[in-house]
Parts: sequence; C-alpha cells; structure tokens
Amino acid sequence: KQEVTQIPAALSVPEGENLVLNCSFTDSAIYNLQWFRQDPGKGLTSLLLIQSSQREQTSGRLNASLDKSSGRSTLYIAASQPGDSATYLCAVKGSSNYKLTFGKGTLLTVNP
Amino acid sequence: DTEVTQTPKHLVMGMTNKKSLKCEQHMGHRAMYWYKQKAKKPPELMFVYSYEKLSINESVPSRFSPECPNSSLLNLHLHALQPEDSALYLCASSQGTGENIQYFGAGTRLSVL
Repeated sequence: KQEVTQIPAALSVPEGENLVLNCSFTDSAIYNLQWFRQDPGKGLTSLLLIQSSQREQTSGRLNASLDKSSGRSTLYIAASQPGDSATYLCAVKGSSNYKLTFGKGTLLTVNP
Repeated sequence: DTEVTQTPKHLVMGMTNKKSLKCEQHMGHRAMYWYKQKAKKPPELMFVYSYEKLSINESVPSRFSPECPNSSLLNLHLHALQPEDSALYLCASSQGTGENIQYFGAGTRLSVL
C-alpha cells in the first residue's frame, strides 16, 4: 500500500526566503507525482505535475524535482511571498491502479 | 479554461434527507472523480468514472451513490447520511485516468445534523 509523507508538517518563514518542502513515498512504481496548493476551506489548485520519467518541472518561482528510485520529491519556492501562504499537498499516482494518494500536507505561512 | 464547477458550495442536511452534489466540466475530460476531505486531513478517493462508467469504488458505503449522466456531468446522491459524513467533497477531472493532471473543483462543504 502506497504511503506518502510530507515534512515538515508546518513551516513559517519571513517574506523573501527561499524554501523547500519535502515529500517521500514508499512504492516507487508510480505513474506521476503532482503538487497541489490548498487555501483554507477551498479546493485544490494543481501547481506542477512530474511524470515518472522526468526529473524536474518548473513554473515561475516553483521548481519540483523527482527521484523515483529513492522515493522522494521536493518543491522549491523561490523568493516567498505572503500570498504563498497555504497548505501544499503532494500526491502520487500509482502505475497499477491509477489511484492518487495524498500526503497530509505542509502548512506554509509566509510572514510580511 | 481549466474549470471544474461544483454546486452547491455549502449544504446542510438532516440524517433522513436526500440531497445531491453536482460537478461539471467542459474541458472534454473523460475521467471524473469524487474525493472526501475531513478537516486537516488529505483528500481520500471515493469513486472514479472513466468514459462515463464507474471504474473504481473505494469501498464507499451505499448511502453515497454516484452517477455520471454524460461526459461533462458527475453527481453524488446522498441518502441517510451520518454526522461523521460531514466533510468537504471534492470533484476532479482529467483527460484520462493515466498520466494526466487532475483538476479540482472548489468543493461542497457538507454538514450532516
């Protein structure tokens, strides 16, 4: 059974800092890995998707990497802003059943 | 347009009520999903529809009944729910069930009294 772990559970940083969120998964037989953002009480916004054959994806100030063999992914946020404050969720899609398994998320607070 | 629209945004119902949640997308996606999310927990998959056919049911109680009337619309019919079913219900869609990005709606906040 796939298990996804995100560290840290919560992170508070001053505005302008670069930061890294971590995601690990137990079964490396994945189809892809997706990073989402969720604001309180809202739905999920897809940030980046990395296919199992890829090593990284970039979108603006966000960069996500994937090391499938070690079961790890990182989300790098450059020059953080207060508007980045949200919960960031990592989810992996299994290659055998196409199910998306989520981590518990990292609650990010960027202080002005 | 990458929009998945869910209605209603909020729903309060009694344990004897029958209600329905609605989800709509016009991106031509052929896979649609229902997730349940409790407070401070990650979303949990409930159902997957692929080409309007139910392909995955994650052992969800029968008081939740999904329906896919056409390729753009997904419903979740609710009957005889319990207070512990109170949660945020999220709908998502993707081009297929394989390698594609899943796009999520804003969710329906359900409270069962």
